[in-house]
Amino acid sequence: DAGITQSPRHKVTETGTPVTLRCHQTENHRYMYWYRQDPGHGLRLIHYSYGVKDTDKGEVSDGYSVSRSKTEDFLLTLESATSSQTSVYFCATEGSSNYGYTFGSGTRLTVV
Amino acid sequence: DAKTTQPPSMDCAEGRAANLPCNHSTISGNEYVYWYRQIHSQGPQYIIHGLKNNETNEMASLIITEDRKSSTLILPHATLRDTAVYYCIVSYSKLTFGKGITLSVRP
Repeated sequence: DAGITQSPRHKVTETGTPVTLRCHQTENHRYMYWYRQDPGHGLRLIHYSYGVKDTDKGEVSDGYSVSRSKTEDFLLTLESATSSQTSVYFCATEGSSNYGYTFGSGTRLTVV
Repeated sequence: DAKTTQPPSMDCAEGRAANLPCNHSTISGNEYVYWYRQIHSQGPQYIIHGLKNNETNEMASLIITEDRKSSTLILPHATLRDTAVYYCIVSYSKLTFGKGITLSVRP
């Protein structure tokens, strides 16, 4: 969606390697979120941020860390990727409460 | 723990209204009702939200019952491009997505 970019779009990595996914926004939104989506589970919140250097855990945060050093960037890191982290990862931002969340196009991560 | 209950699927004919139901009997007074949809493997898209009153925008209408225990999303003239998974979410802060309802619009 315009204003929010996720990179990479696709990635294949080996078990045990570190992986960082990037979410970049140009809307100056305060809130940013990382979700993962797996078949049969819908979207589940991993971590979120309510400002620069202000982050908190979601419902499935184990094995993930995040950082937000600038308003526009929210990084999701898998310190040591496992096959259970194979998923589609979506980033979202929230600006005005009148417009809901804006989601990125997703990153498809495969851990082999 | 799901706060909303939606049928797993429904279909409607192109050009007709699609009425998507959602039950949220445990909704709290400060929680909003949100609707999002996800087309194929794209990121979810915001549709509409409301607290107590019915709401309408260019995409849809949201009807919330007086006791706020259920709501209906109405797509007035469904098109093939409206085929998607629709999520009904109840929240006052972060959004928790359930499995949603798959709407299939048939020609």
